[in-house]
Amino acid sequence: ETGVTQSPTHLIKTRGQQVTLRCSSQSGHNTVSWYQQALGQGPQFIFQYYREEENGRGNFPPRFSGLQFPNYSSELNVNALELDDSALYLCASSLVGAADTQYFGPGTRLTVL
Amino acid sequence: AQSVTQPDIHITVSEGASLELRCNYSYGATPYLFWYVQSPGQGLQLLLKYFSGDTLVQGIKGFEAEFKRSQSSFNLRKPSVHWSDAAEYFCAVVSDTGRRALTFGSGTRLQVQP
Repeated sequence: ETGVTQSPTHLIKTRGQQVTLRCSSQSGHNTVSWYQQALGQGPQFIFQYYREEENGRGNFPPRFSGLQFPNYSSELNVNALELDDSALYLCASSLVGAADTQYFGPGTRLTVL
Repeated sequence: AQSVTQPDIHITVSEGASLELRCNYSYGATPYLFWYVQSPGQGLQLLLKYFSGDTLVQGIKGFEAEFKRSQSSFNLRKPSVHWSDAAEYFCAVVSDTGRRALTFGSGTRLQVQP
């Protein structure tokens, strides 16, 4: 069984740029959620995708957007990067109906200069 | 909206000592509760979960947690801590309606002394 994978591992961008982070769900999972974890804090929910549609969103501006593909992999896009976007971005996959247990990938560390 | 409080930011225990990490939640109905562990620079690993039934749940690595509805708590315990348990521990709750996103506490950093 393949776990959740994310790419890239680390990324450095400058303010105002755009970034795309990628996630491959655990085999058999049909739901993906994205979280932002700032240094020293707990993860914050960004949004969730199910059947290629956004299934809920946290308190994040529209410049955070996402996609889910037919193979259940996913992308997180962030436009107009700000310094405060520097964080660990975590992807989690789950299977609807399986009591919503979410399994996390190792994360992508984004640094905005 | 649901919330999770982890009152202890940092805990230090000696190797072999017992451990209890506190978690309090705020939620109207029966919550789904989780404990995750995060090693430095890593993602989150699921330790255990509670959905219903027996209020004492067993997890991986010798951890257990007890759900107490009257106290709105879901404390994590381990009878004998190993040096490899040093990490950040997060309690989380998920709504049983809607988007089912996880709401996390701010975490407790565990340090283990030899």
